[in-house]
Amino acid sequence: DVKVTQSSRYLVKRTGEKVFLECVQDMDHENMFWYRQDPGLGLRLIYFSYDVKMKEKGDIPEGYSVSREKKERFSLILESASTNQTSMYLCASSLYSGRRYEQYFGPGTRLTVT
Amino acid sequence: AQSVTQLDSQVPVFEEAPVELRCNYSSSVSVYLFWYVQYPNQGLQLLLKYLSGSTLVESINGFEAEFNKSQTSFHLRKPSVHISDTAEYFCAVSVHAGNNRKLIWGLGTSLAVNP
Repeated sequence: DVKVTQSSRYLVKRTGEKVFLECVQDMDHENMFWYRQDPGLGLRLIYFSYDVKMKEKGDIPEGYSVSREKKERFSLILESASTNQTSMYLCASSLYSGRRYEQYFGPGTRLTVT
Repeated sequence: AQSVTQLDSQVPVFEEAPVELRCNYSSSVSVYLFWYVQYPNQGLQLLLKYLSGSTLVESINGFEAEFNKSQTSFHLRKPSVHISDTAEYFCAVSVHAGNNRKLIWGLGTSLAVNP
């Protein structure tokens, strides 16, 4: 089974802090994704990466950055956390080749910024 | 731009009743379609997918979805729901993103199964 793990299930940070959310997958997937999930807004794509050191902006990249130094790890960075970044953050991965387009998700990190 | 519309944000239903969660998409090219389920305080899990072939696809826990190209729909159905089916359900379509692919998501349907 594909396993996607996220470093924390719950996180509380103060406004202005730099926040790192880590995601690791163990199935050698090329693609990795970061989403945020808010009530009534569904899943919104923040950034995705299709290879090491490669990144692409999603629909709502403002206020976020990412890092992918190794294939299995994809980090989301909030340079200066703000209260409007309080949300559930979901990481996902998928294969690039073949027709396995489905994404596999981690359990999520619920971030509260106070 | 391609989009996915889930027509009901909330669906309340009694246990053992049938249910249909509706999903429509906009696309002029071949599509790959997915339903995901999210149980409370968990990440998303793939429920079923349509890539090609038979237009009726089934999951291991009794859900099925039918791809209807003419109506651009991929509705999810179950003939008899259980309390444990209470969850958020998301419909998604796979689209090109440069040389790769990403998923376009519906806003989700909250299924509440009552005893």
